Amino acid sequence: GAGVSQSPRYKVAKRGQDVALRCDPISGHVSLFWYQQALGQGPEFLTYFQNEAQLDKSGLPSDRFFAERPEGSVSTLKIQRTQQEDSAVYLCASSHVADRRPYEQYFGPGTRLTVT
Amino acid sequence: AQSVTQLDSHVSVSEGTPVLLRCNYSSSYSPSLFWYVQHPNKGLQLLLKYTSAATLVKGINGFEAEFKKSETSFHLTKPSAHMSDAAEYFCVVSDGGGFKTIFGAGTRLFVKA
Repeated sequence: GAGVSQSPRYKVAKRGQDVALRCDPISGHVSLFWYQQALGQGPEFLTYFQNEAQLDKSGLPSDRFFAERPEGSVSTLKIQRTQQEDSAVYLCASSHVADRRPYEQYFGPGTRLTVT
Repeated sequence: AQSVTQLDSHVSVSEGTPVLLRCNYSSSYSPSLFWYVQHPNKGLQLLLKYTSAATLVKGINGFEAEFKKSETSFHLTKPSAHMSDAAEYFCVVSDGGGFKTIFGAGTRLFVKA
């Protein structure tokens, strides 16, 4: 079956531009996570959705970062006024479980954002 | 607060020899622990997970890990390395206090022929 998909796969933005990154989770998955992975580092948690509710946004680095999942399926991560330090791979993951003890997360291929 | 420390940034082994990737964690609650693998240009894939059942956990491709609460460790092992095991490995912790998932910095495994 289809896995988690993300688009675009690559994005180049000029500093100051706004970008929108899309995640299509596995159909029926309740939980959705966003991560930021800088070069040579492990993924860092950004935010978590359970259906359409954003239950944890403690990892968003600044108020320039905004995520939504209005109908409980597709999610969009928006970065306003991009800065060079935003250059990273943005990963989306989904899980079929909505529980405080998380289960396997299925990861998408990521969107590589380069800010010039 | 949760944290994960992967003790080696790089590990190099010869094909057919054992693999040991070390991970220590810190968690305020009873943790869930995972190992994920990331092959070049591929997405992260779950190798195995510990969620308070058996302390010795078996995963895919012959990998296993042992949860040792007294040592706060969750080391990943494999008896015999294969060339296809060359990848980046991440130790991951999540506790019952929330949904936040913490990744270690990763260990890159090199396998020599």
